[in-house]
Order: sequence, then C-alpha cells, then structure tokens
Amino acid sequence: IQMTQSPSSLSASVGDRVTITCRASQGIENDLAWYQQKPGKAPNLLIYAASSLQSGVPARFSGSGSGTDFTLTISSLQPEDFATYYCLQDYIYPSTFGGGTKVEI
Amino acid sequence: QVQLVESGGGVVQPGRSLRLSCVASGFTFDKIAMHWLRQAPGKGLEWVAVTSYDGIDKFYADSVKGRFTISRDNSKNTLFLQMNSLRREDTAIYYCASRLLRPLDHWGQGTLVTVS
Repeated sequence: IQMTQSPSSLSASVGDRVTITCRASQGIENDLAWYQQKPGKAPNLLIYAASSLQSGVPARFSGSGSGTDFTLTISSLQPEDFATYYCLQDYIYPSTFGGGTKVEI
Repeated sequence: QVQLVESGGGVVQPGRSLRLSCVASGFTFDKIAMHWLRQAPGKGLEWVAVTSYDGIDKFYADSVKGRFTISRDNSKNTLFLQMNSLRREDTAIYYCASRLLRPLDHWGQGTLVTVS
C-alpha cells in the first residue's frame, strides 16, 4: 500500500491552524497513525486508529479520516510543534509510511 | 519504564553482513510483536520488518526481503536484525520499536549503519 502525504513541507506561524493529509492507495479502514519527529530524535506517536489521541499528546492535535483519506490537524501551532510529521498505515504488512511533512517557521 | 536499546551499528563494506540487537526492558517482551524501522540520512522513515511475539510470523519490506532476517530471543529480551549482502542504500539509522498498546508506541534511540 502506497501512502501519499502532502504537502512535503509548509511554512507557518505560531497560532496558525495546520492541516496535513495522507492518502492510501487502497482502503485501510482506520488503521492509520501519525508521528512527530524532531531532529536527532526517534519518532513520537501522536494519533492512532486515525483519530484517537495518544496519552500525553496535547489536545491541539487531532486526526480524522477513514478508508483512503486522512488528515492531521494542529489547531494552534506552538513553537515546540515545528518538526516533521509522518503517517503510517498498519492495516497490512508491509507497513508503509508517508513521505513526511516538514513544518517550518 | 519501557526502554529499547539498539546496538551493533557501524561501518561495513558493501556485500558484507552485520547483526543489530535491541534489548528491551520494562514490559513483558515475550508477549509483544517487535519491529525494525530505518531512516536514511536526511530521508523519511521506512518500515523494515516485524516478528510476532513468539518469533513464528515474520514480515519484511520488499527492499530487504531475502537479505535481512528478523529474530528474537525471548529468554534474553532481545530482538535481532541480521543484515546480509548489504548495499550502500541500506545506510541508515535503524530503530527497533514495539506496539505495547498502540502502533509503534515505543522506540529505541537508534543505531547508525553505514555501508561504504
């Protein structure tokens, strides 16, 4: 399954609403997760099952979608949110990541 | 707390082999499926392989199938990745990760493999 993530990068300001999308090449129900990665660090799980917030993750992060089209939204961008974001399908092996979205100031 | 610590990375010539290890602690290792993932320098994440909790079921990315083997020793809480016939494009940071409650909810710090 191919995961197409867009945009590949975006520039935004603190307080902005940011939306990242991920499209699967075939239906994956809601078996989609979102990760945040900061430079030099391992990825951190934000959202699982397309829309469930991982424990400890701020409520400004939200996910939606089912089937082939998914969205990660940051409602009000904070300075610590500047990072790269990835989607992952775990509907079927081999699991596949989207290409990533770098969120820059 | 959950801890995953990878080791075994280094510089290796093309065509040679390398074995990575990942020691787990803080959870019941022999009940959890374990994954390897990688990230080439400046590139995105790539899922590599998974083994079931008992080591019986294994799946691989097409890019490593037939060259890499994932295995585990539940008596030592250790996950392995045997990498044979290494190519320059296998150069990456290799992470082990677990799904305790949610998909890939715990990751190690990674170990760098350079094929050159």
